[in-house]
Amino acid sequence: AQSVTQPDIHITVSEGASLELRCNYSYGATPYLFWYVQSPGQGLQLLLKYFSGDTLVQGIKGFEAEFKRSQSSFNLRKPSVHWSDAAEYFCAVVFNDYKLSFGAGTTVTVRA
Amino acid sequence: DAGITQSPRHKVTETGTPVTLRCHQTENHRYMYWYRQDPGHGLRLIHYSYGVKDTDKGEVSDGYSVSRSKTEDFLLTLESATSSQTSVYFCAISVAGGIQETQYFGPGTRLLVL
Repeated sequence: AQSVTQPDIHITVSEGASLELRCNYSYGATPYLFWYVQSPGQGLQLLLKYFSGDTLVQGIKGFEAEFKRSQSSFNLRKPSVHWSDAAEYFCAVVFNDYKLSFGAGTTVTVRA
Repeated sequence: DAGITQSPRHKVTETGTPVTLRCHQTENHRYMYWYRQDPGHGLRLIHYSYGVKDTDKGEVSDGYSVSRSKTEDFLLTLESATSSQTSVYFCAISVAGGIQETQYFGPGTRLLVL
């Protein structure tokens, strides 16, 4: 069955520390992959996406993600977290035409 | 900013009443979507539209209907609201057609069904 999983429900990180959020999918081919961020009370904002080509993708706000076919993963990283990065992060995948499937989300708390 | 607005932004209603949520876009994009967001589930697709009067069901369509009589508006109707439909509802549009689409989201509507 096709699925997308974010194994970590909640991550707490210190300001200035690095951050990595995990995303795994189950699919027989390479899907189209996205990371979205949702600040409290806001809609979702696209951080980055992967369709093909270079497996390391740069996004907005200093984020990057790496697609690893062998691990069926698309993990999101940021080298140095700012307090404004506190938010909920969603991995999303297109398995079929025009339909996004979302992971359950990871909430990031940033401590001073 | 893809020019998406949702109305109302907040609504409280009673079980059994019909409710209509509106999504409006200003840029004539073909594809529009309705999602609901619930803790532990991420966003789940309710219905989507690929053109005027062309709609299809998503993952959680039971109890919901949609209509799109013009490009800019996509309406979501809860025919008889239930407490399980208490949620945050997001509208989205797809800027580029095709499987490698990017979706842009509206600000959301918080619905409480008592």
